[in-house]
Amino acid sequence: DAGVIQSPRHEVTEMGQEVTLRCKPISGHDYLFWYRQTMMRGLELLIYFNNNVPIDDSGMPEDRFSAKMPNASFSTLKIQPSEPRDSAVYFCASSPSGSHQETQYFGPGTRLLVL
Amino acid sequence: AQSVTQPDIHITVSEGASLELRCNYSYGATPYLFWYVQSPGQGLQLLLKYFSGDTLVQGIKGFEAEFKRSQSSFNLRKPSVHWSDAAEYFCAVVGRGGSQGNLIFGKGTKLSVKP
Repeated sequence: DAGVIQSPRHEVTEMGQEVTLRCKPISGHDYLFWYRQTMMRGLELLIYFNNNVPIDDSGMPEDRFSAKMPNASFSTLKIQPSEPRDSAVYFCASSPSGSHQETQYFGPGTRLLVL
Repeated sequence: AQSVTQPDIHITVSEGASLELRCNYSYGATPYLFWYVQSPGQGLQLLLKYFSGDTLVQGIKGFEAEFKRSQSSFNLRKPSVHWSDAAEYFCAVVGRGGSQGNLIFGKGTKLSVKP
């Protein structure tokens, strides 16, 4: 399997622009997670889906952030409008189930820089 | 509040030397415990996990970790470090009644390896 695929790998944009990050989970995985990693706050869970349905979005920082999963093989994380403080590495991960005993498989991340 | 502490931000060891990375957690009850590794420019990969039973857990790449309930610790060890082990290491916990959506990560320890 190709693993979790994220695109783009790097994104540089200007403040106020819309940013869309994309994720393709591992085929057959029912759970998908979006994380944000910064020096100050470490790795934080933003939102996760089960069978394409958002289960917990309490980690989404504010209304400028939105995430969708239109089908089992694709998810997007959108920031509109973007701000410099959104600069971070955004990871997508997938898992066969929601059990805490199950391994999460991480993508390589999207490094976002908002100028 | 639930938390994971990795007291060492950066550790440097010589190749061939032994390694111990510290992890302490604060939780209402004994959680499930994980160690992940992140190589430069890559996503996180699970090294090992502890759920119950033997408190010494073996993982991939020659790593092991020991759960000590009395110290609320789950330290990661390797007897002989290889240059390819240079990476960032994250300890994570989740409550026994929780799902993967409740994974809490430490801030990470960056490992450098001297030749």
